[in-house]
Amino acid sequence: NAGVTQTPKFRILKIGQSMTLQCAQDMNHNYMYWYRQDPGMGLKLIYYSVGAGITDKGEVPNGYNVSRSTTEDFPLRLELAAPSQTSVYFCASSYDAGGGGELFFGEGSRLTVL
Amino acid sequence: AQSVTQLGSHVSVSEGALVLLRCNYSSSVPPYLFWYVQYPNQGLQLLLKYTSAATLVKGINGFEAEFKKSETSFHLTKPSAHMSDAAEYFCAVSDSGYSTLTFGKGTMLLVSP
Repeated sequence: NAGVTQTPKFRILKIGQSMTLQCAQDMNHNYMYWYRQDPGMGLKLIYYSVGAGITDKGEVPNGYNVSRSTTEDFPLRLELAAPSQTSVYFCASSYDAGGGGELFFGEGSRLTVL
Repeated sequence: AQSVTQLGSHVSVSEGALVLLRCNYSSSVPPYLFWYVQYPNQGLQLLLKYTSAATLVKGINGFEAEFKKSETSFHLTKPSAHMSDAAEYFCAVSDSGYSTLTFGKGTMLLVSP
């Protein structure tokens, strides 16, 4: 089973460039999430979605955008990349919302902005 | 608002020794509590969860955690550490079945032979 698949695994961007991190899940989960992980800071929620066509901001949404046109896909768009967006990004999905369900994580996308 | 505090960014133990990773939470309502583990260059995976059933929760790989409401704690333990337990461990809390998770900053467990 594929679970949650993230692409690319690694990317280097120049300041001001844009890119999209792809995330796909094959578990028919309603809930999907994007987190960023910085050393010693744990995981911070960027955006989440409770179903196709519905998205909402998390704790650190500035500089990012998302869309959810299908149940399977939840891409994260970075516009005008900045060094502060250097991080490891994790996509996750769950059948139930946070407290009720286990989150299934992808393997992460490591982004460096120079 | 919910929050999680993990005491100690790094914990070192010898193989065979007791593992104790500390987690304290803040929540205005009875919480849902989780421990996740992250092995190097991988995503997080669920170790165990507390959702208001038994206060002692058993997870995978011999880990368990005890919910103590009076201490607002959910510490993770394992009687005997194994080299393969070396990883980063995250405590997480949710106010309800409908809210998103808030993660702690993580504790890196180092196991020496």
